[in-house]
Amino acid sequence: GAVVSQHPSRVICKSGTSVKIECRSLDFQATTMFWYRQFPKQSLMLMATSNEGSKATYEQGVEKDKFLINHASLTLSTLTVTSAHPEDSSFYICSAQGYSNQPQHFGDGTRLSIL
Amino acid sequence: GQQLNQSPQSMFIQEGEDVSMNCTSSSIFNTWLWYKQDPGEGPVLLIALYKAGELTSNGRLTAQFGITRKDSFLNISASIPSDVGIYFCAGHPSMRFGAGTRLTVKP
Repeated sequence: GAVVSQHPSRVICKSGTSVKIECRSLDFQATTMFWYRQFPKQSLMLMATSNEGSKATYEQGVEKDKFLINHASLTLSTLTVTSAHPEDSSFYICSAQGYSNQPQHFGDGTRLSIL
Repeated sequence: GQQLNQSPQSMFIQEGEDVSMNCTSSSIFNTWLWYKQDPGEGPVLLIALYKAGELTSNGRLTAQFGITRKDSFLNISASIPSDVGIYFCAGHPSMRFGAGTRLTVKP
């Protein structure tokens, strides 16, 4: 149980393109989803927390207009990187949580490469 | 903001040896979580701890939730080559991750 699917697994696109990443909880309802970014050989850095039906809470230093998060249902959250530039290239990982204090379960990540 | 310190940063051990790593937080956690991440993949939950003093095992892995609620350790006994990876601690309510412990196991 507790399967989280993230799609796509890999994106390569030109600078200026907007990229949408989907995160789905397949066998449970996720009241909260989290988006992380991970640079090579570093830890996961929390970008934002989203609760179904409400606006995401962004961590300090993360531009909400740059990284648009939508959590429209209890099984789907999307992260859109708008007008992506090479410095946005990274490994983006989502996680989903059923109820507060339950563990998060992670997707397999999306490797984003902006040329 | 909350500080989460994980140590050691890396470990190089021989197959069969035991491993211990720990995390300390500047503030109290309600839940401690230990994850393992393989290259190019998302973290996989190993052990979740919910109560101060709790000691929980998952096969060769054992983790404890510190009495002060500000620390936790993870032990791996009789390591094998497939234990190689990066181990992270995290916890509620912050959902932030430690810097990770990179484990290398020599056959």
